[in-house]
Amino acid sequence: AQSVTQLGSHVSVSEGALVLLRCNYSSSVPPYLFWYVQYPNQGLQLLLKYTSAATLVKGINGFEAEFKKSETSFHLTKPSAHMSDAAEYFCAVSVARAGNMLTFGGGTRLMVKP
Amino acid sequence: DSGVTQTPKHLITATGQRVTLRCSPRSGDLSVYWYQQSLDQGLQFLIQYYNGEERAKGNILERFSAQQFPDLHSELNLSSLELGDSALYFCASSPRTGGNSPLHFGNGTRLTVT
Repeated sequence: AQSVTQLGSHVSVSEGALVLLRCNYSSSVPPYLFWYVQYPNQGLQLLLKYTSAATLVKGINGFEAEFKKSETSFHLTKPSAHMSDAAEYFCAVSVARAGNMLTFGGGTRLMVKP
Repeated sequence: DSGVTQTPKHLITATGQRVTLRCSPRSGDLSVYWYQQSLDQGLQFLIQYYNGEERAKGNILERFSAQQFPDLHSELNLSSLELGDSALYFCASSPRTGGNSPLHFGNGTRLTVT
């Protein structure tokens, strides 16, 4: 079975600073990896996905993530944080034989200080 | 707007009662997933349907059941409700059951059991 670990349940950065949210996965077969963002009282919105093409994936709102097989990681980054980036971020993994079912990490709440 | 519609947005009910949550998937999506989000358990996969048939089961209690109708909308039925069932219930959809299509989430139904 696959699993996801997100290091740091809370991350605080200053506006304009680098955002780094960590995600490590475990999977016995090649995974598909996703980052979702959840704003208060809303559903989950897809930020980006890795599906075995380019290892550096660009998403919406200036976010990107790099798939590193050797490190079983899929960390999310953004060069410069905006106040509007404050939200909860979820890393998720799926495998083809599991029918798109996503297994989520515990989430990281990003706080952006002015 | 993800295109996934969930009703109602909020539901308050008493212990022992039964409720039905409804989900309309994105146009053209055949697969529907139900997730439960709570503070202590995070995002937990409950069940998946594809074109009317159950495809995968996760951590779904026996008191809970779901179905997908011919028009592809889905309902999640929760019975004999307990305080611990209070959570945000999300529905998500994708075009098919295999492959790497991301899931698109609705805004959820917040269930409060008193």
